[in-house]
Amino acid sequence: SAVISQKPSRDICQRGTSLTIQCQVDSQVTMMFWYRQQPGQSLTLIATANQGSEATYESGFVIDKFPISRPNLTFSTLTVSNMSPEDSSIYLCSVVQAGGRETQYFGPGTRLLVL
Amino acid sequence: AQRVTQPEKLLSVFKGAPVELKCNYSYSGSPELFWYVQYSRQRLQLLLRHISRESIKGFTADLNKGETSFHLKKPFAQEEDSAMYYCALSPNSGGYQKVTFGTGTKLQVIP
Repeated sequence: SAVISQKPSRDICQRGTSLTIQCQVDSQVTMMFWYRQQPGQSLTLIATANQGSEATYESGFVIDKFPISRPNLTFSTLTVSNMSPEDSSIYLCSVVQAGGRETQYFGPGTRLLVL
Repeated sequence: AQRVTQPEKLLSVFKGAPVELKCNYSYSGSPELFWYVQYSRQRLQLLLRHISRESIKGFTADLNKGETSFHLKKPFAQEEDSAMYYCALSPNSGGYQKVTFGTGTKLQVIP
């Protein structure tokens, strides 16, 4: 299984600012994803982080608001830009491991509160 | 479009009682179905997937294509089963496909 760490684990931010969340995996993985889990709601896929190219965003999510980087097979960042209180959520990094049975592994999440 | 419905936000059962967490799905093809679990202060993790036909921690789930359901069952609930459970669906069309999650059911096992 893949072990995923995220930084920061939580943060409180002022509206209008930006926060970058890091996701580090202990092994090379084929796919990395970023999810959002708003209070009382299910997990919503934000985007697939593609190594060496632009991320693939889901409907309702745009690069200007959620820029994503993935410089290699074990690391990715998600930036939440120009934050508003509506961005308060848990942000989850998830991976599918190379050669695995397409099992998804999840990071511990980053709990973000925007004031 | 694929959709997963978990009608119960909260399910409370007494220890030793049977548990059934409901999951219905909408998908035009033959999907792959999963149950994920999140225990308190732990990360989301895979509990079981229908193609494995496994019993994990006493839980089983059978895919019923006629009723488009994938209910999670356990004959005797334990306190340590208290957690958030998510049903999830992926198109079974080869390789990894985007997973759609239900809204989750919180299982509370009363001692």
